[in-house]
Amino acid sequence: KTQVEQSPQSLVVRQGENCVLQCNYSVTPDNHLRWFKQDTGKGLVSLTVLVDQKDKTSNGRYSATLDKDAKHSTLHITATLLDDTATYICVVGDRGSALGRLHFGAGTQLIVIP
Amino acid sequence: DMKVTQMPRYLIKRMGENVLLECGQDMSHETMYWYRQDPGLGLQLIYISYDVDSNSEGDIPKGYRVSRKKREHFSLILDSAKTNQTSVYFCASSSGGRGSDYTFGSGTRLLVI
Repeated sequence: KTQVEQSPQSLVVRQGENCVLQCNYSVTPDNHLRWFKQDTGKGLVSLTVLVDQKDKTSNGRYSATLDKDAKHSTLHITATLLDDTATYICVVGDRGSALGRLHFGAGTQLIVIP
Repeated sequence: DMKVTQMPRYLIKRMGENVLLECGQDMSHETMYWYRQDPGLGLQLIYISYDVDSNSEGDIPKGYRVSRKKREHFSLILDSAKTNQTSVYFCASSSGGRGSDYTFGSGTRLLVI
């Protein structure tokens, strides 16, 4: 059973618009949550990591929230650029050490058009 | 520039042939991983290595084995490849822990015909 669900599955926005990606999960324990960006044909690049019960992070035009009570995270991208076209993957870590496992969502495919 | 390097980038093999996928990292990370990525699914963990000769099965180890004889190098071996092992394989490394960076390679696209 999929433990990390992302929505929407795909999204098309115009350059300059803002967008919000959603991640719901059932992983227990939920030690931390990461968002990755994957360009077509490339590896995953970490955008941010959230660790607290209710957490917020900001990394340039990317900002993210985590609510562990709701087991829910969002990734906000403001003023989208064409280079933001990629798949965004939500990942939940069940421990804070190398002994833990990462649980991956299937990703949201974002397409930014001119 | 810290990175994980995977070789080859693309590979076509016939069913029953042996396959060797190689991965190297230059960060002295203790922990390394092999994942596969299939359309519509999240990455699935094949094997994890905590250090030299300290390997553990992941969620889908059947049909795969690994070798780690040096900290910077982690190999994935498919003995007698099957068509359902057609996939994109990612290697990753980490210093461990929630605050650590996870660095992924660019992937090896394997087609088994």
